[in-house]
Amino acid sequence: DVKVTQSSRYLVKRTGEKVFLECVQDMDHENMFWYRQDPGLGLRLIYFSYDVKMKEKGDIPEGYSVSREKKERFSLILESASTNQTSMYLCASSFDRVYYEQYFGPGTRLTVT
Amino acid sequence: DQQVKQNSPSLSVQEGRISILNCDYTNSMFDYFLWYKKYPAEGPTFLISISSIKDKNEDGRFTVFLNKSAKHLSLHIVPSQPGDSAVYFCAASSNFGNEKLTFGTGTRLTIIP
Repeated sequence: DVKVTQSSRYLVKRTGEKVFLECVQDMDHENMFWYRQDPGLGLRLIYFSYDVKMKEKGDIPEGYSVSREKKERFSLILESASTNQTSMYLCASSFDRVYYEQYFGPGTRLTVT
Repeated sequence: DQQVKQNSPSLSVQEGRISILNCDYTNSMFDYFLWYKKYPAEGPTFLISISSIKDKNEDGRFTVFLNKSAKHLSLHIVPSQPGDSAVYFCAASSNFGNEKLTFGTGTRLTIIP
């Protein structure tokens, strides 16, 4: 079974803090994704990566950056957390870009106060 | 611009009856469609997919129908069971210039025992 793990299930941070969200997958997938889920807005893509050291902006990249130094690990960074970044963050990975399903981690509920 | 729309935020169905969840899309370049199921505090899990070369795909109790001319897809669950109570997201992707999943806003399905 594909396993996607995220470093924290719940996180509380203060405004202005730098926040790291880590994601690890164990299926040797090329592609990894970061989404945020908000009520009434569905899942929105923040950043994705098709290879090590490669990244592409999704639909809402502002205020975020990412790092992919190893194939299995994809990190989401909030350089200076703000209250409007309070959300559920979901990491996913997939074997192929388009015609394969994405496998999701359990999510990190981030609260910025 | 919401390219994938789920116009019903919620749906209640009696146990044993058919659940029908609907999804509309606007981008005619989408050629692969997926349904995900999400329980609270968990990541979405893949349910079923369909390619645009088909109009129906079946997997056990779950069937997805695609009507390309109407840009509409639906998920049928027969018979509905209490464990089907969850939020359902439809998603779409294209191999032409938009190689990522675009999600709808989700429909919360409640199965009434």
